[in-house]
Amino acid sequence: KAGVTQTPRYLIKTRGQQVTLSCSPISGHRSVSWYQQTPGQGLQFLFEYFSETQRNKGNFPGRFSGRQFSNSRSEMNVSTLELGDSALYLCASSVGWGRTEAFFGQGTRLTVV
Amino acid sequence: KQEVTQIPAALSVPEGENLVLNCSFTDSAIYNLQWFRQDPGKGLTSLLLIQSSQREQTSGRLNASLDKSSGRSTLYIAASQPGDSATYLCASGGNAGNMLTFGGGTRLMVKP
Repeated sequence: KAGVTQTPRYLIKTRGQQVTLSCSPISGHRSVSWYQQTPGQGLQFLFEYFSETQRNKGNFPGRFSGRQFSNSRSEMNVSTLELGDSALYLCASSVGWGRTEAFFGQGTRLTVV
Repeated sequence: KQEVTQIPAALSVPEGENLVLNCSFTDSAIYNLQWFRQDPGKGLTSLLLIQSSQREQTSGRLNASLDKSSGRSTLYIAASQPGDSATYLCASGGNAGNMLTFGGGTRLMVKP
C-alpha cells in the first residue's frame, strides 16, 4: 500500500514568487492536513481539508492557501514568497474526520532566496 | 490554547539502556495523543496512537502511556539500539478534526 506522496521533494524559489506543493494521500484517506516545520518554530499546523472542504486553519497569513480535489489529492499554494517561508512542508493523511491516526509524507523542502 | 512540551530536548544514552521520553500538555481535553519519529531531513513516522479512553499502547520495544488528569504521556523504549537515534515528537489531537499540536521533540542519540 503506497504511503503519502509529496512532490516535489525540493524547491528553490526567489522572494516574491509563488509556489505550489502537492500531496497525494494514502488510498482511501479523505483528510489531508498541512504543516510547516522550521528550526525556530517547530511543527505548526497550516490547514486541514476533508471532502474537498477546508475544515481547520492555523494562524498563517492569507498568502498560504490550499485546496483538495475529488480524489482527495491536495495542493498548497504560497504566494509572494518571503525568506521566512523557507521550511519543510509536511502533509499528513488520515482516513476520516477526527480522532484518526495521521500518516505523514516525506515533505517538500522549500528554500526561498 | 493547547501547549505541548517535551523535556529533555536532547538525550544521549549507551546502547542497551531502557529510556523514557516525556511529553506534557496543558489542556487535558484531548481526543488522542500520537508519538512520531523523525530522521534528519525526513518526514514523520507514526509510532503509536493512544486514544483518550486508553491508558497505554505497545508496539514491539515501544510502550506509550497517557495520563490525561496529569497532562502527561511517556514513551518507553526498551533495550535501545543505535538505530533508534532520531527525534521523537509527541502530538495531541483535540476536537478540531485531525489537527495536531506538536511538542518541540526530543533528539535521541544511542551510542554503540
